[in-house]
Amino acid sequence: GNSVTQMEGPVTLSEEAFLTINCTYTATGYPSLFWYVQYPGEGLQLLLKATKADDKGSNKGFEATYRKETTSFHLEKGSVQVSDSAVYFCALSQGGSEKLVFGKGTKLTVNP
Amino acid sequence: GAVVSQHPSWVICKSGTSVKIECRSLDFQATTMFWYRQFPKQSLMLMATSNEGSKATYEQGVEKDKFLINHASLTLSTLTVTSAHPEDSSFYICSAATWQRRNENEQFFGPGTRLTVL
Repeated sequence: GNSVTQMEGPVTLSEEAFLTINCTYTATGYPSLFWYVQYPGEGLQLLLKATKADDKGSNKGFEATYRKETTSFHLEKGSVQVSDSAVYFCALSQGGSEKLVFGKGTKLTVNP
Repeated sequence: GAVVSQHPSWVICKSGTSVKIECRSLDFQATTMFWYRQFPKQSLMLMATSNEGSKATYEQGVEKDKFLINHASLTLSTLTVTSAHPEDSSFYICSAATWQRRNENEQFFGPGTRLTVL
């Protein structure tokens, strides 16, 4: 079945550091890929998405590129801020289905 | 816009009692609502999908008689954990989708409800 594997956390960085959170997936066909973010005390919010190979999703300085050859969708940001501290979830959906399959989440803490 | 609320945010109950969790879309009509369960340090697991006015579709392994889902209106879905036991303790999260954004496959998530069964 479909699955998502993302790097274990927690991740702790200093402000302005470079961020990478790895995400790989297993799926048949061509799934849509998502990154969701959950700030403390809030619900998950869609951060970015990509629906086909080589697409790059971007939002708020975060980027992720859909790499079919490596079945990956790694999240990157060039310079993190304290306000980026949150839990990040990689997810996929397939075949037009609304069902989302999530990774375990990676907690990011950014220190000033 | 696209705000989803859950009530209560946390609940503690005795074993054998039933607990109802509400999920509301505050500023849009949710044609579909989803209920997830999240264990510590694990991913969100989809429990069921409900469409307004029809019976929920449960994922394999989820007991529909234990986790009763009602989606009576376009802004409200409820999850009732019947005869709760300690193993039902978990973080329950709902999400909502609107037909107007179906092509974008975007779900809007509530903040979650922490259930502790003693």
